[in-house]
Amino acid sequence: DAKTTQPPSMDCAEGRAANLPCNHSTISGNEYVYWYRQIHSQGPQYIIHGLKNNETNEMASLIITEDRKSSTLILPHATLRDTAVYYCIVRAPSGGTSYGKLTFGQGTILTVHP
Amino acid sequence: DAGVTQSPTHLIKTRGQHVTLRCSPISGHKSVSWYQQVLGQGPQFIFQYYEKEERGRGNFPDRFSARQFPNYSSELNVNALLLGDSALYLCASSLDGRQNQPQHFGDGTRLSIL
Repeated sequence: DAKTTQPPSMDCAEGRAANLPCNHSTISGNEYVYWYRQIHSQGPQYIIHGLKNNETNEMASLIITEDRKSSTLILPHATLRDTAVYYCIVRAPSGGTSYGKLTFGQGTILTVHP
Repeated sequence: DAGVTQSPTHLIKTRGQHVTLRCSPISGHKSVSWYQQVLGQGPQFIFQYYEKEERGRGNFPDRFSARQFPNYSSELNVNALLLGDSALYLCASSLDGRQNQPQHFGDGTRLSIL
């Protein structure tokens, strides 16, 4: 799986947009970008995923650069409940012993301030 | 709709014992994955099962085993427990385990080894 690089921590004011960057310069053409977040003492929560195009759902937007070497997760109006560890994951095609594998890094600790 | 449910939520064992952790996937999901999360780190992939067959395996010793039942629920078994097995064990389900299908996580079983 391609490695990802994320800043260890970020701050955001409540009500403002939170923009979380992720670098995945070695991504292959058939690998998806996934974002999860984990609030303390809970399991990771799926946020969004994409292959090439930008994606939006009720939680967030995912912007993938044209060369696919980086992406940004956007939480449009951050709230205190968005404080969590955010993981950017590049997921390889299913096959071999890596079938279904998600490789988590250290993630970004996002703290939303009042 | 019910999400992924795991039992028990907490468990305390001593070194050398064995443990069985249980997972019920989201209704309609046929694939289950298991992850281990040690304090301060991201989850690490252990196994994935689809249609009762092991499809993926992470870098864990043979003390770790799992199985999936006809109703798609799953068990993770760990034998000869070591202090280092203390962790949060997470189960995730997806429709079929393929790359473009998100995995949805339960809140895990916290295992403490004394």
